[in-house]
Amino acid sequence: DSGVTQTPKHLITATGQRVTLRCSPRSGDLSVYWYQQSLDQGLQFLIQYYNGEERAKGNILERFSAQQFPDLHSELNLSSLELGDSALYFCASSAPSAGGFNEKLFFGSGTQLSVL
Amino acid sequence: DQQVKQNSPSLSVQEGRISILNCDYTNSMFDYFLWYKKYPAEGPTFLISISSIKDKNEDGRFTVFLNKSAKHLSLHIVPSQPGDSAVYFCAASGTTSGTYKYIFGTGTRLKVLA
Repeated sequence: DSGVTQTPKHLITATGQRVTLRCSPRSGDLSVYWYQQSLDQGLQFLIQYYNGEERAKGNILERFSAQQFPDLHSELNLSSLELGDSALYFCASSAPSAGGFNEKLFFGSGTQLSVL
Repeated sequence: DQQVKQNSPSLSVQEGRISILNCDYTNSMFDYFLWYKKYPAEGPTFLISISSIKDKNEDGRFTVFLNKSAKHLSLHIVPSQPGDSAVYFCAASGTTSGTYKYIFGTGTRLKVLA
């Protein structure tokens, strides 16, 4: 158990709909990362938050948005869903190490999104 | 533009032999590299890492080698065990505006045959 909790584990929805994926980081971790894993694809970096603020952005679509709340949990909102958005969405958290940079990410078990 | 590449989608190795998983990167600003292992229905778990100031890091059966001039790293597993069968991802990071962003490869599926 990594200590990172993602809910729900599975989500089935229709095209055009909007969903929210939730992530609770490990206790004490300030950074949250979101990744998307599509079929035969690696882990595509979407976005990172640190202590409530956006820190880095990757290949995140404009239809997607995220935020990190004061209690450090994060939500990834996916709207106007398309078939191609079907994927496994991972959240990861990390804590700053000596030197001020993160060392390793701890991943949740993911949310499997199926858009029909 | 795939900045981190794992060109072998799969690899089969006999139990007890060495497994070598390779990873190439293109961005010379990357200075920290990690390997993750992923079992089905689970999130990736951290395996081993290496900083760009080193060329080798060892942890038990796992050794990561870094060749900065070739922008190449490899993970050696010796001896390989059936429980090592999983998908292995390499990841690279480099500071972006004072924070680190982790870029992952597409993964290599390792199968260790008993």
